[in-house]
Amino acid sequence: QQQVKQSPQSLIVQKGGISIINCAYENTAFDYFPWYQQFPGKGPALLIAIRPDVSEKKEGRFTISFNKSAKQFSLHIMDSQPGDSATYFCAASIVGSEKLVFGKGTKLTVNP
Amino acid sequence: DGGITQSPKYLFRKEGQNVTLSCEQNLNHDAMYWYRQDPGQGLRLIYYSQIVNDFQKGDIAEGYSVSREKKESFPLTVTSAQKNPTAFYLCASRGQGAYNEQFFGPGTRLTVL
Repeated sequence: QQQVKQSPQSLIVQKGGISIINCAYENTAFDYFPWYQQFPGKGPALLIAIRPDVSEKKEGRFTISFNKSAKQFSLHIMDSQPGDSATYFCAASIVGSEKLVFGKGTKLTVNP
Repeated sequence: DGGITQSPKYLFRKEGQNVTLSCEQNLNHDAMYWYRQDPGQGLRLIYYSQIVNDFQKGDIAEGYSVSREKKESFPLTVTSAQKNPTAFYLCASRGQGAYNEQFFGPGTRLTVL
């Protein structure tokens, strides 16, 4: 019930391509879904977040798509760049809760 | 600059020793967190604190201890009871908003020799 399942574990994309990372959850009480980006040896940084009252949120080249009925959400990185190479974590939380539940991460490599 | 600082960046410990990791924030956040990160495991919650002088166990608290004597500081002690302490440790804080928007420090890599 508290898990967030993230896939794929690793992803290799060519420069200019679209990177897609997927997450699924079971707990229907989750209502806040952030994505974090982490570079090697650094702490994660909040990238973009969505609430389930919208189906899509876009910030620059990064888009979250949300499918409430399927209990899935995904991160799309358009025009992927080598500088996007990092590990990406999805997470979920219940509004008002102190805990974030994290997926296990996806290591993205963008080849030049 | 506002943010979260962790020290040291790298830490080496001999087996059987306790070690304390520092976390300081100047964001005026009430809630603070400690996570452990291992390859392929994501982030696992060790302890969290919502207010000064109060803290709760997370999912993997065994072998760890914390204190919260000041709002700005949330040190983590890795005790000799922690069986496999080698990991990357991350501290985070969260503001007063309704959403669980957490901000992370740069991390401390602990290696047990």
